[in-house]
Amino acid sequence: NAGVTQTPKFRVLKTGQSMTLLCAQDMNHEYMYWYRQDPGMGLRLIHYSVGEGTTAKGEVPDGYNVSRLKKQNFLLGLESAAPSQTSVYFCASIVGGVIHSTDTQYFGPGTRLTVL
Amino acid sequence: AQSVTQPDIHITVSEGASLELRCNYSYGATPYLFWYVQSPGQGLQLLLKYFSGDTLVQGIKGFEAEFKRSQSSFNLRKPSVHWSDAAEYFCAVGASHTGNQFYFGTGTSLTVIP
Repeated sequence: NAGVTQTPKFRVLKTGQSMTLLCAQDMNHEYMYWYRQDPGMGLRLIHYSVGEGTTAKGEVPDGYNVSRLKKQNFLLGLESAAPSQTSVYFCASIVGGVIHSTDTQYFGPGTRLTVL
Repeated sequence: AQSVTQPDIHITVSEGASLELRCNYSYGATPYLFWYVQSPGQGLQLLLKYFSGDTLVQGIKGFEAEFKRSQSSFNLRKPSVHWSDAAEYFCAVGASHTGNQFYFGTGTSLTVIP
């Protein structure tokens, strides 16, 4: 049981390049999330998904796209990277439905992205 | 709108001293509240959570937090800090009506001095 994994761990892009970050979870969770973490800003939600084939915008969705073709995977895409997207990206998942006391949001280890 | 405020950006305490990290939230319904810890270069680890019932919740690593509805607060405490507690601490509120979105505070960085 690997929990939540993220690929890659580090990446450097040039402005205008594209890339996809992969998040995978093996806990059969329905809900998955992409956050970005910037100094002094905490974690901000980019996009999330409440099930296979569904996605929704979070607090800071501009410049990103996502897809959830398989329940266990949640992809975050940058079509044309900008320096403002330099950040640490975290994926997370939770069982789904109404939150219960036994539910916990599990986080991946993060992807550090630098856009030059 | 939901929001979380952590008024202390950085706190320094001596090893063995007590610790209290502040968290205030804004949420229209009964909140689900969480505290996470993040060590440098790592992901987030859940310390404790509040859903209902007893307003004083115990977590891992000797941490506890008290939910005070009248003050919209969920402060994290530890009676005696260890050097290994140095990390970034995040408070979060969960909103079940919006896809279980979690709203995070901006974090409090804890430094522990010997």
